[in-house]
Amino acid sequence: DTGVSQNPRHKITKRGQNVTFRCDPISEHNRLYWYRQTLGQGPEFLTYFQNEAQLEKSRLLSDRFSAERPKGSFSTLEIQRTEQGDSAMYLCASSLRTNTEAFFGQGTRLTVV
Amino acid sequence: AQKITQTQPGMFVQEKEAVTLDCTYDTSDPSYGLFWYKQPSSGEMIFLIYQGSYDQQNATEGRYSLNFQKARKSANLVISASQLGDSAMYFCALMDSWGKLQFGAGTQVVVTP
Repeated sequence: DTGVSQNPRHKITKRGQNVTFRCDPISEHNRLYWYRQTLGQGPEFLTYFQNEAQLEKSRLLSDRFSAERPKGSFSTLEIQRTEQGDSAMYLCASSLRTNTEAFFGQGTRLTVV
Repeated sequence: AQKITQTQPGMFVQEKEAVTLDCTYDTSDPSYGLFWYKQPSSGEMIFLIYQGSYDQQNATEGRYSLNFQKARKSANLVISASQLGDSAMYFCALMDSWGKLQFGAGTQVVVTP
């Protein structure tokens, strides 16, 4: 297994368009996390899953954001009607269980123009 | 609600010297984990070290050690014998008993020759 994979690596979109990002965690990792990171800031928690169950959503995750993890494998993060403020790096991480290290993907950099 | 604080926005350290990065946290969970990650300019998040709340010994991983003071709710990272390649952003993160991982704002470390 080569680690957490995120696609696409970069996405440029026009304001108002919808975008979807994909994360493939390390196989057998049942926890999957989504974070958003803007320049010079730490990653901000968005949501996380245990298997297919979404356990918590940050209030940062407005109604325009939705995340899924069907069958407890890969996950998708969709942003509808993108705004310029959505421009950021979107990071995905997975871990085997609680209190073990989370491994990160290389992120998807979103630019909304 | 849990909170994690890194008060040092940036630090300079000379090559071969040790540096301590501060991290304090607040949580009501009796069981939690503390993590340190390194983020070089390339952007990937690299796991460095982990400390569990019930661990009696301070964690060490090569040149990294974690100075865990539970009563003071601090988990400082010590990097010994700094190298030029240690220049990066360093993030402290707190994982609660549910597995939610929350990051501090980060400390930028610059190692000078």
